[in-house]
Amino acid sequence: DAKTTQPTSMDCAEGRAANLPCNHSTISGNEYVYWYRQIHSQGPQYIIHGLKNNETNEMASLIITEDRKSSTLILPHATLRDTAVYYCIVRVRNAGNMLTFGGGTRLMVKP
Amino acid sequence: GAVVSQHPSRVICKSGTSVKIECRSLDFQATTMFWYRQFPKQSLMLMATSNEGSKATYEQGVEKDKFLINHASLTLSTLTVTSAHPEDSSFYICSARPPGTGEVYGYTFGSGTRLTVV
Repeated sequence: DAKTTQPTSMDCAEGRAANLPCNHSTISGNEYVYWYRQIHSQGPQYIIHGLKNNETNEMASLIITEDRKSSTLILPHATLRDTAVYYCIVRVRNAGNMLTFGGGTRLMVKP
Repeated sequence: GAVVSQHPSRVICKSGTSVKIECRSLDFQATTMFWYRQFPKQSLMLMATSNEGSKATYEQGVEKDKFLINHASLTLSTLTVTSAHPEDSSFYICSARPPGTGEVYGYTFGSGTRLTVV
């Protein structure tokens, strides 16, 4: 799996958009960008993934740069319940091996 | 959607005793499950890969005789922490990848087990 770099922590005001960056400059052509989050004392939860096109679902949007060396997860209207650690993981989609977690970004949504 | 159930969610045990943690895939079969450990304010670290019908594969530095893994069926993997000590206190999480949609959306995780050894 390609290595990723994320800021250690970020703050966001409730109701505002939260933009979480991730650098993955060594990403390979067949590797996808996955985002998971972990709310305190819970297991990680899948959010979204993408290859090169921007993606959107009910939880978030994923913006991937044209060179695919970085991406941004966007929570359009952050709520207090979005406070969590967000993990950016780059890997081949159908790989059967485990997920490798980096340090992630601790997002604190403040009222 | 695919659900992985983990039990218990919280356990306190005395030093020297053993604790069993169960991980079940509720609506799919999982030939492979993964066990992670997470210390406070740290990321998840893979401990072992549990394989149905065969021996688990342990990561470097994880004692296989201390952390016994049994994957006797396609829906159940258990992790037993034997002769637990306070330094084993941690958050233990299992995960599995559902077939079909799991190949697209990735892994499903249990809710975790908070183990406290006193």
